[in-house]
Amino acid sequence: NAGVTQTPKFQVLKTGQSMTLQCAQDMNHNSMYWYRQDPGMGLRLIYYSASEGTTDKGEVPNGYNVSRLNKREFSLRLESAAPSQTSVYFCASSEQDRAQPQHFGDGTRLSIL
Amino acid sequence: AQSVTQLDSQVPVFEEAPVELRCNYSSSVSVYLFWYVQYPNQGLQLLLKYLSGSTLVESINGFEAEFNKSQTSFHLRKPSVHISDTAEYFCAVSDLSGNTPLVFGKGTRLSVIA
Repeated sequence: NAGVTQTPKFQVLKTGQSMTLQCAQDMNHNSMYWYRQDPGMGLRLIYYSASEGTTDKGEVPNGYNVSRLNKREFSLRLESAAPSQTSVYFCASSEQDRAQPQHFGDGTRLSIL
Repeated sequence: AQSVTQLDSQVPVFEEAPVELRCNYSSSVSVYLFWYVQYPNQGLQLLLKYLSGSTLVESINGFEAEFNKSQTSFHLRKPSVHISDTAEYFCAVSDLSGNTPLVFGKGTRLSVIA
C-alpha cells in the first residue's frame, strides 16, 4: 500500500535551474496539496487541487507552478530556482469531505545553491 | 478564515512523565480539529481528530485531546511518555464548509529524555 509517493527524495539544484517534483497517490482521492516545511514556520500551503482539473493558490505560491495531470498525479514545478526555495516539500491527498484526514508523502528535500 | 496557534515550539520532558501540548484556534464557524505527528525524516501522520460528539478523543498509542469550545482549545495530552514519542506534533483546523484547505499550526517539537 504505497499511499502518496513523491519523487525524487533528495535534489540539489543551482540557482536558476528548473525542476519538477512529482507526486502520485493510489487512494482515489479527489484533493491534492503541495506544502513546504521550513524550521519554525510549520507547513505552508503552496498550491492545492480540490478536484481533477482545478488548481488554486495557497499561502506561498510565488515562484511555483502546478499541474494536476490526472486524478492520481499532481506535480510542482520550479521554473527558476532560488536559494529561498530550499526546503522540504510535502505532497498530500485527501477526500473532499473535510472530516477526512490528509495523507502525506515522505517529502522531497530540495537544496538550492 | 481559520488560524491555529501552538503555544510552545519545543517541549522537553523526561520519560514516563506526563505532557501537554497546547493548541488554540480561531474561527468564526464550526470546525473540525486534528493532531498530526511527524517522526524524523517522514511525512505527517494523523494522530487523532475531533469531528463532533464527545469532546475527548483518544489515539491508539495513549494520546488524548479535549475540545474546549469556550476556550477555543484542543490541547494534546499523554499521562506517561516514551522515548518513541519524540517527534514534531502539528495541530490543524478545518472548517465544515470545505471551501478552504486545512490550516496547520507551526508545530511543537516534543523531546523525550531518558
